[in-house]
Amino acid sequence: AQRVTQPEKLLSVFKGAPVELKCNYSYSGSPELFWYVQYSRQRLQLLLRHISRESIKGFTADLNKGETSFHLKKPFAQEEDSAMYYCALSGINSGGYQKVTFGTGTKLQVIP
Amino acid sequence: GAVVSQHPSRVICKSGTSVKIECRSLDFQATTMFWYRQFPKQSLMLMATSNEGSKATYEQGVEKDKFLINHASLTLSTLTVTSAHPEDSSFYICSARPGTSGGRASDTQYFGPGTRLTVL
Repeated sequence: AQRVTQPEKLLSVFKGAPVELKCNYSYSGSPELFWYVQYSRQRLQLLLRHISRESIKGFTADLNKGETSFHLKKPFAQEEDSAMYYCALSGINSGGYQKVTFGTGTKLQVIP
Repeated sequence: GAVVSQHPSRVICKSGTSVKIECRSLDFQATTMFWYRQFPKQSLMLMATSNEGSKATYEQGVEKDKFLINHASLTLSTLTVTSAHPEDSSFYICSARPGTSGGRASDTQYFGPGTRLTVL
C-alpha cells in the first residue's frame, strides 16, 4: 500500500523566513512524487514534481529515499505563498494500475 | 493550456434524486480521468479512475452502483450520484491526465474547479 504523510496541518511563518513543508511516504517500489498547491478560491494545481528537479516560485523539493521524504522548501517566504499544499505519490498499486495518493495537506500561512 | 472544467459548480438536490457531474478537458485529450471527493478540511480521497472506452476502476469502499462513471470520449467523463442522500454531500473534484504523442500517458494531472453537492 502507498501512503503519504504530512504531519503539519498548519504552518505559520513570517515573511522572509525559510519554509519547510514536510512530507513522508511509504511505498515499496520506485515512487514519483509531486507537490500540489491550492490558493484561496482556486483549483488544485501542480507545483513541482521530483522527476523534473526544478525550482518553481522559489520552491524546491528533494526526494530522499533513505528517509522516504520529499520535503518542500523555500528560503524566503512571501505573502503570496500562503496556500494549502498537498504532497502526492504516484505508484502502481496491487491491481497493476497507476494510482495517486494525496497527503492530508498543510496550510501555509505567511505572516506579513 | 491544460484546462479542466466541471459542471455544475454547485448543485442542491433532494434526497433520493440523482445528480450528474460533468468533467471536461478543454484543450487536450485525456486518456485517464480521476474522480475525488474532499470532505471539509480533509484531503482528497480518490473514488475511481476512468479510462476512455473502458469501465472505471473503483477504490475500495466506493460503491460503483451508487457512483456511476462514464468516460465516453477523450474529453468528457461524467459522475452520476444515484439516489443521493445527505451523507453524499461533499465536494467532488475531477482531474484529467493527458495522453502524449507517443501514446504514453503523462504523469501530470490537471484538476477541475470542483462541484459542491448538497443533498437535502
